[in-house]
Amino acid sequence: DAKTTQPPSMDCAEGRAANLPCNHSTISGNEYVYWYRQIHSQGPQYIIHGLKNNETNEMASLIITEDRKSSTLILPHATLRDTAVYYCIVRGLNTGGFKTIFGAGTRLFVKA
Amino acid sequence: DAGVTQSPTHLIKTRGQQVTLRCSPKSGHDTVSWYQQALGQGPQFIFQYYEEEERQRGNFPDRFSGHQYPNYSSELNVNALLLGDSALYLCASSLEFGGQGRSAKNIQYFGAGTRLSVL
Repeated sequence: DAKTTQPPSMDCAEGRAANLPCNHSTISGNEYVYWYRQIHSQGPQYIIHGLKNNETNEMASLIITEDRKSSTLILPHATLRDTAVYYCIVRGLNTGGFKTIFGAGTRLFVKA
Repeated sequence: DAGVTQSPTHLIKTRGQQVTLRCSPKSGHDTVSWYQQALGQGPQFIFQYYEEEERQRGNFPDRFSGHQYPNYSSELNVNALLLGDSALYLCASSLEFGGQGRSAKNIQYFGAGTRLSVL
């Protein structure tokens, strides 16, 4: 079962910031939070990840709460090309490797 | 620098047949994971290969098997195909040890997938 909870869908106006929430209340100390997005029928694209500090790269910002039980992905100026399914994943060290468990994700619609 | 490449892009098979899907990892990566994505759902983990061995496995039957070669490329084999095996099959590669020991901060990069249709 997925260890994250996300809203099934969200809308955002083009040019505005898109804030995508994720709940991961059972996250353990050595697990990272990853965000991927998947545009229709393509492979998931890595966006950003973090452990406990906020992170920013050229694509997005990741805000992780102090208790690490939730996070928010921020696309600062959403464009129509950001319309996609966004997956929040927690991933950590366990015996034999790093199993990645995807949930249903959030379908983001960016509207003109 | 080539990313993760998968072949073929599309495949049509009939029930009972066998299929082999192929994946070449991103340059420098040593670990390959396979996922199945049914229409409208998130990817489901099948298994992961590192050092030519299956390291982890998801909840998939033995009909699903794999292999990793010394050059880190990988194959996914599915025997006795069922209609329910129709899906997008995704390959992801990562650098297991990241040069500084095993760490969950190693990013997985995905290929574009192989669309399998079972008729």
